[in-house]
Amino acid sequence: NAGVTQTPKFQVLKTGQSMTLQCAQDMNHEYMSWYRQDPGMGLRLIHYSVGAGITDQGEVPNGYNVSRSTTEDFPLRLLSAAPSQTSVYFCATQREVGSYEQYFGPGTRLTVT
Amino acid sequence: AQTVTQSQPEMSVQEAETVTLSCTYDTSESDYYLFWYKQPPSRQMILVIRQEAYKQQNATENRFSVNFQKAAKSFSLKISDSQLGDAAMYFCAYRSALIQGAQKLVFGQGTRLTINP
Repeated sequence: NAGVTQTPKFQVLKTGQSMTLQCAQDMNHEYMSWYRQDPGMGLRLIHYSVGAGITDQGEVPNGYNVSRSTTEDFPLRLLSAAPSQTSVYFCATQREVGSYEQYFGPGTRLTVT
Repeated sequence: AQTVTQSQPEMSVQEAETVTLSCTYDTSESDYYLFWYKQPPSRQMILVIRQEAYKQQNATENRFSVNFQKAAKSFSLKISDSQLGDAAMYFCAYRSALIQGAQKLVFGQGTRLTINP
């Protein structure tokens, strides 16, 4: 039981490049979310999904795209990377709306030069 | 919108002593959940303790306990008998109990805790 996995662990991009951060879970959780962590600001919600085929925007969605075609996977796409997107990205899952705990992946550190 | 504030960017404590981390929040909702997460240098987010707003009793998990003051919108974390492994960044977080907000955690800025041997 791997829990929540994220790939890659580290990535360096040039401004304007695109890439996809991968998130996968094997716990059959309904909810999946993406957060970014910046120094002095805690974690902020980018996008979330309440189930396959359903996604919605969080607090800081600009510059990011998501889709959820399966329960297990929730990729985050950077369409045209900018230095302001340099951050640590976390994927999180939650079993259902009544669940207390969100389970976090190990994070991806992204640097945009 | 809800906000969470941690006013102590850094704290330090001697090993075996007790330390309290502060957290205040702002919300107009009456039912919600509060959490403390620990983030060690490995970057992994680890749930330390949670509190349901409808419960008056303060939550306790071994050496970790909270002081939940609903009227004051305060949620502090007390770590007793501090150990070297407690050194980490600690985040306070809020989550609505409403269905439409149930998957969104609102985090504070974090408090970096150092344990001095």
